[in-house]
Amino acid sequence: EIVMTQSPATLSVSPGERVTLSCRASQSVSSELAWCQQKPGQGPRLLIYGASTRAAGVPARFSGSGSGTEFTLSISSLQSEDFAVYYCQQYDHWPLTFGGGTKVEIK
Amino acid sequence: EVQLVESGGGLVHPGESLRLSCVASGFTISHIWMGWVRQAPGKGLEWVASMKNDGSERKYVDSVKGRFTISRDNDKRSLYLQMSSLRAEDTAVYYCAKTNYLEVWGQGTTVTVSS
Repeated sequence: EIVMTQSPATLSVSPGERVTLSCRASQSVSSELAWCQQKPGQGPRLLIYGASTRAAGVPARFSGSGSGTEFTLSISSLQSEDFAVYYCQQYDHWPLTFGGGTKVEIK
Repeated sequence: EVQLVESGGGLVHPGESLRLSCVASGFTISHIWMGWVRQAPGKGLEWVASMKNDGSERKYVDSVKGRFTISRDNDKRSLYLQMSSLRAEDTAVYYCAKTNYLEVWGQGTTVTVSS
């Protein structure tokens, strides 16, 4: 099983700041990496797939990069609606696995 | 509108069974993998099972193998999860999702296993 490790677990930021979230895979997942966002009481929403392709309707301030075992999700200027939990997920190998999540909270 | 709607959750006792359903609208499921993901209270996301478009492949997380069965009816745009021998640790919100990179998610249905 591929273990996905996200860091940090919690990030306290102010609106307008740039944010970078990290995700590491225990072995290569090529570019088969997705990022999703989950707000309290809601189901998750896909942001990025293929490590760097934005899903439909996702604002351009969200960007993904990386390949192999190291990945990042960046938010160029944090908006109030971006405070949420972010998960990375690999879909290169079975079982599909998620990272533990990074909570982005208001500073 | 592209949408997934789950149903069938509820409160059951340990050892009992439950069948979850998911109906897709706004797209056809007949050409894609579909799957189930769950989230225990206050915890992260856990993939549960996925099924190939033609039914030729089914994948499960180890903890549900032999107890859960994923199935689909492409004509009805529906995905199912038959859960048996339920345990307390199966308590979670269960989400239906489109493709293996979880392109679209449902709103979830809650399964509670408790005596």
